[in-house]
Amino acid sequence: QQQVKQSPQSLIVQKGGIPIINCAYENTAFDYFPWYQQFPGKGPALLIAIRPDVSEKKEGRFTISFNKSAKQFSLHIMDSQPGDSATYFCAATLRGSTLGRLYFGRGTQLTVWP
Amino acid sequence: EPEVTQTPSHQVTQMGQEVILRCVPISNHLYFYWYRQILGQKVEFLVSFYNNEISEKSEIFDDQFSVERPDGSNFTLKIRSTKLEDSAMYFCASSTNRGSTDTQYFGPGTRLTVL
Repeated sequence: QQQVKQSPQSLIVQKGGIPIINCAYENTAFDYFPWYQQFPGKGPALLIAIRPDVSEKKEGRFTISFNKSAKQFSLHIMDSQPGDSATYFCAATLRGSTLGRLYFGRGTQLTVWP
Repeated sequence: EPEVTQTPSHQVTQMGQEVILRCVPISNHLYFYWYRQILGQKVEFLVSFYNNEISEKSEIFDDQFSVERPDGSNFTLKIRSTKLEDSAMYFCASSTNRGSTDTQYFGPGTRLTVL
């Protein structure tokens, strides 16, 4: 029940396209949903995060859409660029978690062609 | 910009050997974590550490694993007797504050290969 399911595993889009990565969870005790971006040879880095009391959050070209009733959330990348090619992980933490243990999805490898 | 650093970047060891993976968290951070990622699988939590104590550990973190903050800058993960299935990328992370919403900053990882 502590799983976060992520799809697709890989995604290829043309420059300017809008890749969408989807995640779903079962445990309603999750109350914070960060997305991490990882480039080859680097560790995951926080990209954007959302709490379940809002349905959408935008930061630059990155948008999270959140559907609390469906227990689903997704990352949209507007006007995608080759530099966005990376692995994206959705994650979640539990309400009241003292040190914020992250539960990760399996990751999506995004390739943006020029 | 401050970063979490990890050494070595790649460690190859024989099954049954002890390994120590080293991390230098960001200097003003107080909360430390280890995660691992087996090739092709998701990143999994191992342990969190604060004030020289383990705060939480996962079912993966059995008696073969231990963590230590031997001085004011390093944070180590020791695997006493490595198994083939310990082959993975190990990530260290740190954060300034506790809590479910505080940002964890990850190091670049150590790739452990157990032969």
